[in-house]
Amino acid sequence: AQSVSQHNHHVILSEAASLELGCNYSYGGTVNLFWYVQYPGQHLQLLLKYFSGDPLVKGIKGFEAEFIKSKFSFNLRKPSVQWSDTAEYFCAVNPQTGANNLFFGTGTRLTVIP
Amino acid sequence: GAGVSQTPSNKVTEKGKYVELRCDPISGHTALYWYRQSLGQGPEFLIYFQGTGAADDSGLPNDRFFAVRPEGSVSTLKIQRTERGDSAVYLCASSPSYNTDTQYFGPGTRLTVL
Repeated sequence: AQSVSQHNHHVILSEAASLELGCNYSYGGTVNLFWYVQYPGQHLQLLLKYFSGDPLVKGIKGFEAEFIKSKFSFNLRKPSVQWSDTAEYFCAVNPQTGANNLFFGTGTRLTVIP
Repeated sequence: GAGVSQTPSNKVTEKGKYVELRCDPISGHTALYWYRQSLGQGPEFLIYFQGTGAADDSGLPNDRFFAVRPEGSVSTLKIQRTERGDSAVYLCASSPSYNTDTQYFGPGTRLTVL
């Protein structure tokens, strides 16, 4: 079955540590890729997206993600996390089949310790 | 409006009752999506509208679920004969058009079926 996998369920880091959250998908065709973030008590917000072109995309708040087509991956990175990055992070895929619905991973909860 | 709004923010109902959940998309957005997020999971696609018509309702779990968007703006998700398994956060999102645009999410309605 087609799916989106986020293998890290809960990540705990100290401030200034580097972050990498994994995302793998199983759709075979062309895809659009997204990372959404949900801060405590807030709604889902777009962090960054990849549609085409440079596979290294930069988003808000210093986040970036790299699309590696051969690995079906779209990992999220940040060189130095802050306490305010504590949130739930969701990877999402839109298989370009004509519809625009998103398929989400189960999310990764990030806790940053001051 | 400034963002997607959803009402009510919380809804508690009894098993077997009928509920309606409302979504007000960003003004001018033609595409509207409903997702359901169960505890510990990522959002799961239910249905999406392009204008007034349901372009893809393949995610609706069964015929107890129905959604309308009669004037191409506000949408209502209707659940008949609610079951305890329907308890979840119901998310609405909108985008400027249906084709690969970023989706902007509302705060969700938390439905609890007792």
